Amino acid sequence: QKEVEQNSGPLSVPEGAIASLNCTYSDRGSQSFFWYRQYSGKSPELIMSIYSNGDKEDGRFTAQLNKASQYVSLLIRDSQPSDSATYLCAVRKGYALNFGKGTSLLVTP
Amino acid sequence: GAVVSQHPSRVICKSGTSVKIECRSLDFQATTMFWYRQFPKQSLMLMATSNEGSKATYEQGVEKDKFLINHASLTLSTLTVTSAHPEDSSFYICSASPGLAYEQYFGPGTRLTVT
Repeated sequence: QKEVEQNSGPLSVPEGAIASLNCTYSDRGSQSFFWYRQYSGKSPELIMSIYSNGDKEDGRFTAQLNKASQYVSLLIRDSQPSDSATYLCAVRKGYALNFGKGTSLLVTP
Repeated sequence: GAVVSQHPSRVICKSGTSVKIECRSLDFQATTMFWYRQFPKQSLMLMATSNEGSKATYEQGVEKDKFLINHASLTLSTLTVTSAHPEDSSFYICSASPGLAYEQYFGPGTRLTVT
């Protein structure tokens, strides 16, 4: 079992819709979770961090964490074509980050 | 804030030569820096963790004599790929953190092509 799992996609949503990205992790003791956005050929950019159960909102982005289910999600409201990218879920492991393979999101005009 | 730079952004070298990549934190002091490698359509794989003034900690399977890491100051870490081979061609990305409990901020990456 991979430590951080994501559906590779692509996930296609129409412009203005809500995009829902999911991530599961295997280490029940994990405490810190992150969502990064990566455009093709570029390095990852931090979008959200979440440390406690529940929702955390920042603009159009909402991260949701359920430690009992070992599940993290990212919701993007009012999706824009510029949101088209690969979204990486990362879980802190010791001092470093353990990344999922990423979900490719395509927002169609 | 939290800007990390990398240099060069792209490098092409011949097999057998060495290449040095620099990673700098521009507006904060990075006690810890990380080096990742990403092959096409794969996720980021951690290569090593370096703390300022200490020897780097390498992940299993990463040759420390091939990938030399130096973290001599709180704003600069370097990765030297020694005797590079075509299979070392990859996207190398550094990240920096003001402390172990903080988020990591990524540099723009260096695309290495070994011919």
